[in-house]
Amino acid sequence: AQSVTQLGSHVSVSEGALVLLRCNYSSSVPPYLFWYVQYPNQGLQLLLKYTSAATLVKGINGFEAEFKKSETSFHLTKPSAHMRDAAEYFCAVSSLDTGRRALTFGSGTRLQVQP
Amino acid sequence: NAGVTQTPKFRVLKTGQSMTLLCAQDMNHEYMYWYRQDPGMGLRLIHYSVGEGTTAKGEVPDGYNVSRLKKQNFLLGLESAAPSQTSVYFCASRTGTSEETQYFGPGTRLLVL
Repeated sequence: AQSVTQLGSHVSVSEGALVLLRCNYSSSVPPYLFWYVQYPNQGLQLLLKYTSAATLVKGINGFEAEFKKSETSFHLTKPSAHMRDAAEYFCAVSSLDTGRRALTFGSGTRLQVQP
Repeated sequence: NAGVTQTPKFRVLKTGQSMTLLCAQDMNHEYMYWYRQDPGMGLRLIHYSVGEGTTAKGEVPDGYNVSRLKKQNFLLGLESAAPSQTSVYFCASRTGTSEETQYFGPGTRLLVL
């Protein structure tokens, strides 16, 4: 079975500081990996995804993530946090079951950005 | 192009009542999903559909039923609501190709008293 672990349910940074949100996955085959963002009272929006092309993936709003197979990690980073980045972030892995291709989600990390 | 829409946005039920949540997508997607979101648990798959007329169970299907009579619609039913079904419900859809991105609706907040 696949699983996703997000270390830190809450992360607080100052505006302009580096954002680092951690994600580790478990999968016996090369996975597809995703980061989604959820703003308050909204649905989930795709930030970026890894689908076995480049290991460094650039997404929207200045975010990027690096796939590291040896560490089974897909951490999300942004060089300089902005107040509008305050949201909940979910890491997800695509299902091994090619029939359904559902997503297995981590428990989420809430990012706070202090002025 | 509205993407994925969900109705209602919010609902309060009493224990034992029934209701249906509607998900509609206008992207001609083959696959549709229902997830529930609970604090500290991420999103968990309830049921899914790989095409019109098909449905299958996900990780947490008990207490729910689904139907996909039309390609664009995916209905989630609660036959007899329980307080444990208080949650936020998200619908998602994706194409039937290798494109993996799932597109999510805005969610339905359900409170069962």
